[in-house]
Amino acid sequence: DPKIIQKPKYLVAVTGSEKILICEQYLGHNAMYWYRQSAKKPLEFMFSYSYQKLMDNQTASSRFQPQSSKKNHLDLQITALKPDDSATYFCASSPRGAYSNERLFFGHGTKLSVL
Amino acid sequence: QQKVQQSPESLSVPEGGMASLNCTSSDRNFQYFWWYRQHSGEGPKALMSIFSDGDKKEGRFTAHLNKASLHVSLHIRDSQPSDSALYFCAASEISSGSWQLIFGSGTQLTVMP
Repeated sequence: DPKIIQKPKYLVAVTGSEKILICEQYLGHNAMYWYRQSAKKPLEFMFSYSYQKLMDNQTASSRFQPQSSKKNHLDLQITALKPDDSATYFCASSPRGAYSNERLFFGHGTKLSVL
Repeated sequence: QQKVQQSPESLSVPEGGMASLNCTSSDRNFQYFWWYRQHSGEGPKALMSIFSDGDKKEGRFTAHLNKASLHVSLHIRDSQPSDSALYFCAASEISSGSWQLIFGSGTQLTVMP
């Protein structure tokens, strides 16, 4: 059973629209993250949350907004979508929080295609 | 310039052979180095970490770190077709008060039966 659930697995959107990527983790972890993987760049850190508090934001654009309604949820809202946003978005978690150096556990990703 | 650079981009080895992957960083602030593996259609999965000079062995996998040259390598002995995957080197550093993992571009390993 996957312990980090990302929905949907595939997503097609039109330019200018808005989408929400869902992530839930059932590992009991206290920190959650979003990473992006595109053909042009390596896995790229976007956000980290610890105990539902934003710890770090390396995303230049405000079009990307994480939303944490529960400790084990970290959704990603993307507005005004652009073709360059096409990528696979990975949610990850770690046990103790973003203040510790520890391994990350990744979900299977949401592959977003913006037409 | 990327902070974490990997080579080669792709590598093919025969089943039972030794695969050697390399990684160089350009930032002496990096504290820990990780190796992650990603099979097609899945998310990356951590293999092992290393933060002390020298070798660290876990089963068929051996990581080597040379802090002076900021070079990390991963050696896979007795490679199996199931080892075919994209391998990432990642380095961790503190940014804005929290740990952040910086990934390299990856090495695509193919193990030929």
